[in-house]
Amino acid sequence: SQQGEEDPQALSIQEGENATMNCSYKTSINNLQWYRQNSGRGLVHLILIRSNEREKHSGRLRVTLDTSKKSSSLLITASRAADTASYFCATVDYGNNRLAFGKGNQVVVIP
Amino acid sequence: DAGVIQSPRHEVTEMGQEVTLRCKPISGHDYLFWYRQTMMRGLELLIYFNNNVPIDDSGMPEDRFSAKMPNASFSTLKIQPSEPRDSAVYFCASSFSTDRGGYGYTFGSGTRLTVV
Repeated sequence: SQQGEEDPQALSIQEGENATMNCSYKTSINNLQWYRQNSGRGLVHLILIRSNEREKHSGRLRVTLDTSKKSSSLLITASRAADTASYFCATVDYGNNRLAFGKGNQVVVIP
Repeated sequence: DAGVIQSPRHEVTEMGQEVTLRCKPISGHDYLFWYRQTMMRGLELLIYFNNNVPIDDSGMPEDRFSAKMPNASFSTLKIQPSEPRDSAVYFCASSFSTDRGGYGYTFGSGTRLTVV
């Protein structure tokens, strides 16, 4: 199964700035999901975007999906110190329910 | 709901010993997943179940690993015998099927396994 691949791997920004992460994948997907993981903790589901959707918002999060380019982006607006975490994109293929993860982006928000 | 519950939170064991990790999924979820996370390999799907039936165990590293789901509210991942390279954080997750809404997966807090 394919995995999402995030870019960049690490991001350090000032509080209040926006953070953008990108993810690419290789096959036909049913949906793409973004998760956050705080150090030493489990993963928390942030947002899901289906293959027939192009953009989705949830609070300060904005996700885009371009199926022609097989890529997605996650934008966190007005970042806060509490947003410091690793962010993973993950994809679900058609025909199964496997969630395949990329390697993750480490985001550090400096107060 | 208390979420996905995993136990133990931490496990330290000696090489060669049997290790059993436990998971209680969210009530009503019909999928259950076991993942392993390491720095080198990231998050790897080991096995997943649908309605208590194993669907895909292609991610299980070798025969030393086995997983069961005797009922809808309980699953175990067993390693016998354990080896130092099995040291990792093991996550359990559950979800509804994607056809039912795709609300995303709910992960447990993980079991940090150290094999010495």
